[in-house]
Amino acid sequence: QQQVKQSPQSLIVQKGGISIINCAYENTAFDYFPWYQQFPGKGPALLIAIRPDVSEKKEGRFTISFNKSAKQFSLHIMDSQPGDSATYFCAANYQGGKLIFGQGTELSVKP
Amino acid sequence: GAVVSQHPSRVICKSGTSVKIECRSLDFQATTMFWYRQFPKQSLMLMATSNEGSKATYEQGVEKDKFLINHASLTLSTLTVTSAHPEDSSFYICSARDRQGAREQYFGPGTRLTVT
Repeated sequence: QQQVKQSPQSLIVQKGGISIINCAYENTAFDYFPWYQQFPGKGPALLIAIRPDVSEKKEGRFTISFNKSAKQFSLHIMDSQPGDSATYFCAANYQGGKLIFGQGTELSVKP
Repeated sequence: GAVVSQHPSRVICKSGTSVKIECRSLDFQATTMFWYRQFPKQSLMLMATSNEGSKATYEQGVEKDKFLINHASLTLSTLTVTSAHPEDSSFYICSARDRQGAREQYFGPGTRLTVT
């Protein structure tokens, strides 16, 4: 119930390609879904976030697609660059502020 | 804006000793701070939620007597790992919310703890 399942575990994309990371959840009480980017040895940085009453949100090259009925959401990174190589975590907010994180996706963008 | 710092960034301590990690919100007042632990190649696991001026709320399975959390002011929370053991070696990360009811959490850069 409190899990957020993330896939794939790792992803290799060519420079200029589209990176797609998927997450699924069960608990309909989740009310906020952020994505974080983490570089090795650093803390996670908020990338983009969406609320469940919105189906899509775009910020620059990053887009979240949200399917409330399917309880799924995904991150699309357009025109992927080597600098995007990092670990990406989806998360879901519950109980007034706690975040449940997905397992993480290690993205490698090849030049 | 919304910058969170942690100190130290790395610490090595001997087994049985205690170590304190500081988390500061630099440009906002944080009514709530969170402490996470992250093992290599794994996700972040919430350890506890800390509200200014009150006792921290610990997640199930986290020993409150081992991981002491103090949130003495609106800009500072501390995590003290007492009687540290090698299995406590991990990456500890704090985060903060900048206002009551906010959903966004801003994370610190993390502290790498190694217990020898």
